Amino acid sequence: SAVISQKPSRDICQRGTSLTIQCQVDSQVTMMFWYRQQPGQSLTLIATANQGSEATYESGFVIDKFPISRPNLTFSTLTVSNMSPEDSSIYLCSVVWVRGANVLTFGAGSRLTVL
Amino acid sequence: QKEVEQNSGPLSVPEGAIASLNCTYSDRVSQSFFWYRQYSGKSPELIMSIYSNGDKEDGRFTAQLNKASQYVSLLIRDSQPSDSATYLCAVSRGGAGNQFYFGTGTSLTVIP
Repeated sequence: SAVISQKPSRDICQRGTSLTIQCQVDSQVTMMFWYRQQPGQSLTLIATANQGSEATYESGFVIDKFPISRPNLTFSTLTVSNMSPEDSSIYLCSVVWVRGANVLTFGAGSRLTVL
Repeated sequence: QKEVEQNSGPLSVPEGAIASLNCTYSDRVSQSFFWYRQYSGKSPELIMSIYSNGDKEDGRFTAQLNKASQYVSLLIRDSQPSDSATYLCAVSRGGAGNQFYFGTGTSLTVIP
């Protein structure tokens, strides 16, 4: 079955620094999304990663804080900039595969702790 | 974010009982509806999708959709301890280029 590779799986960062999370898939996808899951909470959509163009951000999320790249069909990055403890969350890459039903599949997630 | 609400938990049921999970959504244009299961420390995984009004059965799971009432539910029959997880309802307008929005989640515990 198709695989979503996300890294790092976890990291501990200092306040004020930035971290880039990578998402690589091994099959073509129609859509790539980035979600955040804060401790004990549900999933919040950050943005849709658009190939070769600026990401589409949801209300409450801005490019300066969460820059996203998607240079090709199978790779995307999410950067969490100028981190604060409130950014401590699990960040999830998710995709809709070209082959198969129009459903969402998730990567394993990146657990970020900001001190 | 499109509003998706789920019945407040946590929900506890004895082993072998039926667990009932409910979800309402605000976006009338939504066409695709999903139930995901998330075990602690893991990513969500799809267990059911439903697109038409009525019931859809898959093993011990039955999803029910009523678009007029903007309501979708999940029934788990013969609940097992392995069903203990958080269940997430998700909705989408469907088709290429459409986002998926998730509900607040309901934690289910099946007591042996």
